[in-house]
Amino acid sequence: AQSVTQLDSHVSVSEGTPVLLRCNYSSSYSPSLFWYVQHPNKGLQLLLKYTSAATLVKGINGFEAEFKKSETSFHLTKPSAHMSDAAEYFCVVSEGNKLVFGAGTILRVKS
Amino acid sequence: DAGVTQSPTHLIKTRGQQVTLRCSPKSGHDTVSWYQQALGQGPQFIFQYYEEEERQRGNFPDRFSGHQFPNYSSELNVNALLLGDSALYLCASSLLALMNTEAFFGQGTRLTVV
Repeated sequence: AQSVTQLDSHVSVSEGTPVLLRCNYSSSYSPSLFWYVQHPNKGLQLLLKYTSAATLVKGINGFEAEFKKSETSFHLTKPSAHMSDAAEYFCVVSEGNKLVFGAGTILRVKS
Repeated sequence: DAGVTQSPTHLIKTRGQQVTLRCSPKSGHDTVSWYQQALGQGPQFIFQYYEEEERQRGNFPDRFSGHQFPNYSSELNVNALLLGDSALYLCASSLLALMNTEAFFGQGTRLTVV
Protein backbone atom coordinates (compact mmCIF):
# COMPACT_ATOMS: atom_id res chain seq x y z
CA ALA A 1 0.00 0.00 0.00
CA GLN A 2 1.11 3.51 -0.76
CA SER A 3 1.46 6.03 2.04
CA VAL A 4 2.83 9.48 2.77
CA THR A 5 4.20 10.93 5.99
CA GLN A 6 4.20 14.65 6.59
CA LEU A 7 7.00 15.29 9.01
CA ASP A 8 5.65 18.48 10.60
CA SER A 9 2.11 19.03 11.83
CA HIS A 10 2.70 22.78 12.15
CA VAL A 11 5.17 25.15 10.48
CA SER A 12 5.51 28.83 11.31
CA VAL A 13 7.42 31.31 9.12
CA SER A 14 7.67 35.06 8.82
CA GLU A 15 6.31 36.79 5.75
CA GLY A 16 8.99 37.02 3.06
CA THR A 17 11.02 34.05 4.34
CA PRO A 18 11.27 30.64 2.65
CA VAL A 19 8.75 27.88 3.21
CA LEU A 20 9.65 24.19 3.51
CA LEU A 21 6.97 21.55 4.10
CA ARG A 22 8.37 18.03 4.30
CA CYS A 23 6.86 14.83 2.95
CA ASN A 24 8.18 11.29 2.68
CA TYR A 25 6.41 8.64 0.67
CA SER A 26 6.29 4.88 0.67
CA SER A 27 5.59 3.19 -2.64
CA SER A 28 6.44 -0.09 -4.27
CA TYR A 29 6.60 1.52 -7.69
CA SER A 30 7.04 4.93 -9.27
CA PRO A 31 4.31 6.96 -7.60
CA SER A 32 2.15 9.86 -8.66
CA LEU A 33 2.49 12.52 -5.96
CA PHE A 34 0.59 15.70 -5.31
CA TRP A 35 0.40 18.65 -2.97
CA TYR A 36 -3.02 20.08 -2.15
CA VAL A 37 -3.84 23.18 -0.11
CA GLN A 38 -6.94 23.72 1.99
CA HIS A 39 -7.87 27.19 3.16
CA PRO A 40 -10.36 27.51 6.03
CA ASN A 41 -13.90 26.68 4.95
CA LYS A 42 -12.77 25.98 1.42
CA GLY A 43 -12.24 22.87 -0.64
CA LEU A 44 -8.94 21.29 -1.57
CA GLN A 45 -6.98 22.96 -4.34
CA LEU A 46 -4.26 21.21 -6.33
CA LEU A 47 -0.92 23.01 -6.00
CA LEU A 48 1.21 20.71 -8.12
CA LYS A 49 1.64 17.11 -9.25
CA TYR A 50 4.48 14.72 -10.07
CA THR A 51 3.77 11.96 -12.58
CA SER A 52 7.25 10.63 -13.48
CA ALA A 53 8.27 13.46 -15.77
CA ALA A 54 10.63 16.18 -14.53
CA THR A 55 11.69 15.68 -10.92
CA LEU A 56 11.38 19.39 -10.14
CA VAL A 57 7.73 20.30 -10.37
CA LYS A 58 6.47 23.87 -10.46
CA GLY A 59 3.01 24.65 -9.21
CA ILE A 60 0.73 27.58 -8.68
CA ASN A 61 1.40 30.60 -6.47
CA GLY A 62 5.19 30.17 -6.62
CA PHE A 63 5.31 26.73 -4.99
CA GLU A 64 7.50 23.92 -6.24
CA ALA A 65 8.45 20.43 -5.13
CA GLU A 66 11.30 18.09 -5.91
CA PHE A 67 10.89 14.34 -6.26
CA LYS A 68 13.91 12.54 -4.77
CA LYS A 69 13.69 8.81 -5.25
CA SER A 70 16.86 8.08 -3.26
CA GLU A 71 15.39 9.86 -0.25
CA THR A 72 11.73 8.90 -0.94
CA SER A 73 10.87 12.55 -0.42
CA PHE A 74 8.64 15.12 -2.08
CA HIS A 75 9.16 18.33 -0.12
CA LEU A 76 7.20 21.49 -0.94
CA THR A 77 9.03 24.81 -1.06
CA LYS A 78 8.41 28.47 -1.77
CA PRO A 79 11.12 31.13 -1.78
CA SER A 80 9.10 33.84 -0.06
CA ALA A 81 6.01 33.32 2.09
CA HIS A 82 2.98 35.53 1.74
CA MET A 83 0.24 36.04 4.31
CA SER A 84 -2.24 34.43 1.92
CA ASP A 85 -0.22 31.17 2.06
CA ALA A 86 -1.49 30.47 5.57
CA ALA A 87 -3.49 27.26 5.20
CA GLU A 88 -3.27 23.50 5.64
CA TYR A 89 -1.19 21.57 3.13
CA PHE A 90 -1.57 17.91 2.25
CA CYS A 91 0.94 15.62 0.60
CA VAL A 92 -0.91 12.98 -1.42
CA VAL A 93 0.01 9.78 -3.26
CA SER A 94 -2.14 8.07 -5.86
CA GLU A 95 -2.97 4.42 -5.26
CA GLY A 96 -5.00 2.97 -8.08
CA ASN A 97 -8.35 4.70 -8.13
CA LYS A 98 -7.89 6.58 -4.89
CA LEU A 99 -5.81 9.34 -3.36
CA VAL A 100 -4.03 8.65 -0.07
CA PHE A 101 -3.55 11.78 2.02
CA GLY A 102 -1.00 12.63 4.65
CA ALA A 103 -2.13 14.03 8.00
CA GLY A 104 -1.52 17.60 6.86
CA THR A 105 0.77 20.48 7.79
CA ILE A 106 -0.69 23.73 9.04
CA LEU A 107 1.35 26.68 7.78
CA ARG A 108 1.27 29.85 9.81
CA VAL A 109 2.69 33.06 8.32
CA LYS A 110 3.64 35.82 10.73
CA SER A 111 3.70 39.46 9.71
CA ASP B 1 -17.65 26.37 -15.26
CA ALA B 2 -19.03 25.96 -11.74
CA GLY B 3 -16.49 23.31 -10.78
CA VAL B 4 -17.50 20.64 -8.29
CA THR B 5 -20.59 21.59 -6.29
CA GLN B 6 -21.80 19.90 -3.13
CA SER B 7 -25.00 20.28 -1.16
CA PRO B 8 -25.86 21.02 1.52
CA THR B 9 -22.88 22.92 2.94
CA HIS B 10 -23.80 22.16 6.55
CA LEU B 11 -26.04 19.57 8.13
CA ILE B 12 -26.95 18.58 11.69
CA LYS B 13 -28.42 15.14 12.30
CA THR B 14 -29.29 13.01 15.33
CA ARG B 15 -27.70 9.65 16.10
CA GLY B 16 -29.49 6.83 14.31
CA GLN B 17 -30.81 9.01 11.52
CA GLN B 18 -29.97 8.73 7.85
CA VAL B 19 -28.39 11.40 5.65
CA THR B 20 -27.92 12.00 1.92
CA LEU B 21 -25.20 14.24 0.54
CA ARG B 22 -25.08 15.36 -3.07
CA CYS B 23 -22.33 16.16 -5.56
CA SER B 24 -22.27 17.54 -9.09
CA PRO B 25 -18.94 16.94 -10.82
CA LYS B 26 -16.98 19.40 -12.89
CA SER B 27 -18.29 19.68 -16.44
CA GLY B 28 -16.81 16.94 -18.64
CA HIS B 29 -15.80 14.68 -15.75
CA ASP B 30 -17.16 11.14 -15.53
CA THR B 31 -15.79 9.87 -12.21
CA VAL B 32 -16.80 10.85 -8.68
CA SER B 33 -14.98 9.93 -5.48
CA TRP B 34 -16.05 10.60 -1.90
CA TYR B 35 -13.76 11.30 1.03
CA GLN B 36 -14.34 11.75 4.76
CA GLN B 37 -12.19 14.30 6.59
CA ALA B 38 -12.43 14.09 10.37
CA LEU B 39 -11.33 17.09 12.38
CA GLY B 40 -7.55 17.44 12.39
CA GLN B 41 -6.98 14.61 9.92
CA GLY B 42 -6.38 14.15 6.22
CA PRO B 43 -9.23 13.01 3.98
CA GLN B 44 -9.94 9.25 3.87
CA PHE B 45 -11.22 7.55 0.71
CA ILE B 46 -14.76 6.19 0.99
CA PHE B 47 -15.51 5.00 -2.55
CA GLN B 48 -15.43 5.90 -6.23
CA TYR B 49 -18.15 5.75 -8.88
CA TYR B 50 -17.86 5.46 -12.65
CA GLU B 51 -20.60 4.57 -15.14
CA GLU B 52 -23.04 4.36 -12.25
CA GLU B 53 -21.08 1.59 -10.55
CA GLU B 54 -18.86 1.51 -7.50
CA ARG B 55 -15.32 0.87 -8.72
CA GLN B 56 -13.42 0.81 -5.47
CA ARG B 57 -14.24 1.10 -1.81
CA GLY B 58 -12.18 2.18 1.15
CA ASN B 59 -12.34 0.83 4.68
CA PHE B 60 -15.83 2.05 5.55
CA PRO B 61 -18.80 0.01 6.80
CA ASP B 62 -21.83 -0.86 4.69
CA ARG B 63 -23.73 1.98 6.39
CA PHE B 64 -22.00 4.13 3.80
CA SER B 65 -23.47 3.71 0.34
CA GLY B 66 -23.57 5.71 -2.81
CA HIS B 67 -25.06 6.19 -6.19
CA GLN B 68 -24.10 7.79 -9.47
CA PHE B 69 -26.69 9.04 -11.92
CA PRO B 70 -26.56 9.08 -15.74
CA ASN B 71 -25.61 12.77 -15.66
CA TYR B 72 -22.55 11.77 -13.52
CA SER B 73 -23.82 13.45 -10.36
CA SER B 74 -23.56 11.39 -7.20
CA GLU B 75 -25.05 10.87 -3.77
CA LEU B 76 -23.50 9.61 -0.58
CA ASN B 77 -25.87 7.97 1.91
CA VAL B 78 -25.05 7.19 5.50
CA ASN B 79 -27.47 5.12 7.59
CA ALA B 80 -27.70 4.70 11.35
CA LEU B 81 -25.55 7.73 12.03
CA LEU B 82 -22.98 7.59 14.81
CA LEU B 83 -21.33 10.49 16.61
CA GLY B 84 -18.08 9.43 14.93
CA ASP B 85 -19.57 10.13 11.51
CA SER B 86 -19.26 13.85 12.23
CA ALA B 87 -16.82 15.12 9.61
CA LEU B 88 -16.34 17.12 6.45
CA TYR B 89 -17.39 15.03 3.45
CA LEU B 90 -15.60 15.89 0.25
CA CYS B 91 -16.51 15.01 -3.29
CA ALA B 92 -13.84 14.85 -5.99
CA SER B 93 -14.39 14.57 -9.72
CA SER B 94 -11.99 13.45 -12.40
CA LEU B 95 -11.72 11.82 -15.79
CA LEU B 96 -11.22 8.08 -15.59
CA ALA B 97 -8.93 8.22 -18.62
CA LEU B 98 -6.56 10.47 -16.68
CA MET B 99 -6.69 8.26 -13.61
CA ASN B 100 -5.88 10.46 -10.64
CA THR B 101 -3.66 12.99 -12.37
CA GLU B 102 -6.22 15.73 -11.96
CA ALA B 103 -8.89 15.50 -9.28
CA PHE B 104 -11.01 18.53 -8.44
CA PHE B 105 -12.64 18.84 -5.04
CA GLY B 106 -15.81 20.51 -3.90
CA GLN B 107 -15.99 22.65 -0.78
CA GLY B 108 -17.50 19.82 1.17
CA THR B 109 -20.49 19.15 3.38
CA ARG B 110 -19.93 19.60 7.11
CA LEU B 111 -21.97 16.89 8.89
CA THR B 112 -22.51 17.14 12.61
CA VAL B 113 -24.13 14.21 14.42
CA VAL B 114 -25.57 15.00 17.85
